[in-house]
Amino acid sequence: NAGVTQTPKFQVLKTGQSMTLQCAQDMNHNSMYWYRQDPGMGLRLIYYSASEGTTDKGEVPNGYNVSRLNKREFSLRLESAAPSQTSVYFCASSEASLKYFGPGTRLTVT
Amino acid sequence: AQRVTQPEKLLSVFKGAPVELKCNYSYSGSPELFWYVQYSRQRLQLLLRHISRESIKGFTADLNKGETSFHLKKPFAQEEDSAMYYCAPRGSQGNLIFGKGTKLSVKP
Repeated sequence: NAGVTQTPKFQVLKTGQSMTLQCAQDMNHNSMYWYRQDPGMGLRLIYYSASEGTTDKGEVPNGYNVSRLNKREFSLRLESAAPSQTSVYFCASSEASLKYFGPGTRLTVT
Repeated sequence: AQRVTQPEKLLSVFKGAPVELKCNYSYSGSPELFWYVQYSRQRLQLLLRHISRESIKGFTADLNKGETSFHLKKPFAQEEDSAMYYCAPRGSQGNLIFGKGTKLSVKP
């Protein structure tokens, strides 16, 4: 099992550009999550999906959209990137309350 | 609202010294708490959960409902313990609420 995979690993964007971060899990988990990690702020939940076909806002959803394409895949889209979105993004999936994290995407917006 | 506080941003100890990473939470009902660890440039991974009452890599954590604390302890720190540690209670919606993290640095 690959667990939780994310692409890309690194990305540099210019302000105003758009991009989609991809996440997939092969553990047949219902729930998937997107977090951002910033120094001194810990992990903050952006969006989550409790099951295929449903998505909900987390703590910091502004500037982001998500799509739960199927049970395996949960993508995060930045429509118009801003420097404040420079961060490390982690995708996670969960079985009951145990979360499994992806390796992260390091995004820089200039 | 559920909250979690990790009061120390950075904790620096020498190898072989005891270490305690503090975590306090506010929660209504019966909390379920976890510690996650992130080694340098690696993904977060579960270290331990309070309901399993286990010791992982020499670390233990006891839930103290009276003090609403879930401190992580290890009697003798090792250099390979250097990492970011996150305390995470489970929220009312089933999601984990992460603290801001404590960076543990174990010096030789």
